Amino acid sequence: QLQLQESGPGLVKPSETLSLSCTVSGGSISSSSYYWGWIRQPPGKGLEWIGSIYHTGSTYYNPSLKSRVTMSVDTSKNLFFLKLRSVTAADTAVYYCARVAYCGGDCRWFDPWGQGTLVTVSS
Amino acid sequence: QSALTQPPSASGSPGQSVTISCTGTSSDVGDYNYVSWYQQHPGKAPKLMIYEVSKRPSGVPGRFSGSKSGNTASLTVSGLQAEDEADYYCSSYAGSNVYVFGTGTKVTVL
Repeated sequence: QLQLQESGPGLVKPSETLSLSCTVSGGSISSSSYYWGWIRQPPGKGLEWIGSIYHTGSTYYNPSLKSRVTMSVDTSKNLFFLKLRSVTAADTAVYYCARVAYCGGDCRWFDPWGQGTLVTVSS
Repeated sequence: QSALTQPPSASGSPGQSVTISCTGTSSDVGDYNYVSWYQQHPGKAPKLMIYEVSKRPSGVPGRFSGSKSGNTASLTVSGLQAEDEADYYCSSYAGSNVYVFGTGTKVTVL
């Protein structure tokens, strides 16, 4: 059964870079049928798609975050990463990683999800 | 892109049905049959309940169903049970590997 687990600092200072990793277990990150995504949820608010990455390194970002986001992948370790630069308090959220069904373009959904990790931006 | 619009809340008594709407545009919901729905209990990660507008993943009860008309998708929960009380989010593919989520609906079982 595929599982995803986020990890990274729970506290980041304003103007610094938020860095998270997501470990994929029970399956290969190099599968041609899936992308790998990041989604966040500010406390008490809704979900926001941050971006997705393919095992080849192709990336797709939310236009509203594109200038500050970088995603990368390490296929040898079955890991993918998120970096969000110049963070402010508005970036405080639970950050989830998820598998994004792709199927060569014939399917599009998020499943499964990691348990999420709370990142607080504060000095 | 803007978030898809959902009603903030919906409610029903046990055994009744509740329907949640998800309104987008002709560039997302209206253009693709890639609407999915997620259930989120407090403090938990979202769980896929419906994909491709109306398909149910294995293990999701048959009382959950989805549909779409134009730019609006809907999730119906029939025969409400106490464990269905949760937040529900829709999501739509918006082209070019971009996705958008709905604003979320809190379902209360009275």
